Amino acid sequence: SYVLTQPPSVSVAPGQTARITCGGNNIGSKSVHWYQQKPGQAPVLVVYDDSDRPSGIPERFSGSNSGNTATLTISRVEAGDEADYYCQVWDSSSDPHVVFGGGTKLTVL
Amino acid sequence: QVQLQESGPGLVKPSETLSLTCAVSGYSISSGYYWGWIRQPPGKGLEWIGSIYHSGSTYYNPSLKSRVTISVDTSKNQFSLKLSSVTAADTAVYYCARQATLGGSCQYWGQGTLVTVSS
Repeated sequence: SYVLTQPPSVSVAPGQTARITCGGNNIGSKSVHWYQQKPGQAPVLVVYDDSDRPSGIPERFSGSNSGNTATLTISRVEAGDEADYYCQVWDSSSDPHVVFGGGTKLTVL
Repeated sequence: QVQLQESGPGLVKPSETLSLTCAVSGYSISSGYYWGWIRQPPGKGLEWIGSIYHSGSTYYNPSLKSRVTISVDTSKNQFSLKLSSVTAADTAVYYCARQATLGGSCQYWGQGTLVTVSS
């Protein structure tokens, strides 16, 4: 079964850049989607298909994907960005299914 | 504006079947897209349960496949989840969502509903 590995936590000061990674075997060959989830709320899609942003998502959120690592980058981090972030791919194996990463807690210092 | 709303019992007894419905407004299920269920145990991460296309084609998480049934009712513009033989490990917030493509991103989510498995 395909496994996505995320760091449990990332900390960054306001105004700095946060990078959250999502590791997987040859993940660069898959489309990666990223979600932000704040406490008590449903997840919100912030990046889809590696690097596209849904309407309404600030340009500060960007994504990249190559080799064995996909990265969500949040520039000029604000206090309101503090949340859990999850990556997601489609594992098109013999028993195809959606896979989520374990999630990363972003703390704004 | 597409909106999804989960409904169903908040408490289910062990060994029984969990049943939830997701009502969709602002979009006709029969027009396309995939419709999925995702759950999140308290304090833990997201777990995909399965998805269904408007035609009825289904895809399930291999780890839950033997216990899961997802169905769609286009006349009521809703889709449903049944999870059988539940245990305490199935206690979670259950979300329904619309997926752009099979396995694609979930742009629209319901608010989620907490289902507790307990006697």
